[in-house]
Amino acid sequence: NAGVMQNPRHLVRRRGQEARLRCSPMKGHSHVYWYRQLPEEGLKFMVYLQKENIIDESGMPKERFSAEFPKEGPSILRIQQVVRGDSAAYFCASYSEGTGYTFGSGTRLTVV
Amino acid sequence: DQQVKQNSPSLSVQEGRISILNCDYTNSMFDYFLWYKKYPAEGPTFLISISSIKDKNEDGRFTVFLNKSAKHLSLHIVPSQPGDSAVYFCAANFGNEKLTFGTGTRLTIIP
Repeated sequence: NAGVMQNPRHLVRRRGQEARLRCSPMKGHSHVYWYRQLPEEGLKFMVYLQKENIIDESGMPKERFSAEFPKEGPSILRIQQVVRGDSAAYFCASYSEGTGYTFGSGTRLTVV
Repeated sequence: DQQVKQNSPSLSVQEGRISILNCDYTNSMFDYFLWYKKYPAEGPTFLISISSIKDKNEDGRFTVFLNKSAKHLSLHIVPSQPGDSAVYFCAANFGNEKLTFGTGTRLTIIP
């Protein structure tokens, strides 16, 4: 009964490269949320997806960031042309009525 | 626009005493409030929640109080234990929508 799985746990990218963060929700969960935590701050909502649909992307930066949750496979948060300010911990949560929100352990992105 | 605020970045409490963590919110649409505990290098784990129709919810050593008129909630931990040392986040939402988090309070339990 695996929880929310995120990989990689740590990711180092040079400025200008692309970062791909993956999230596999809990079994049976079809709602996925991505949050970002900057150093010394709380978690900030980025995007909410259901299978093959973006429901709410009001927290996503307008450029360079995109997210998907395909019919098969994990949800992907993609950051193109990373900059130093993208360095943060990125958390994924899946949701169901019965269990509520369950968070993964996060991906720590460092841009050098 | 910080809709959920935790004004104390840190708190130290003697083991065995009561820890009280506070949270204020501004959005009167919020109808569900949650507390999460977070250890370094891990994701937040759910602790306790409360619906806006209640003013108190208790689960073992943890009690959450909600004062809707003051838009304030608090988490009480008693007795505090060393394993309670962590960062605690208050969160809120309405209609099962996205969670809005506070900035967290780092609780340190002194043995």
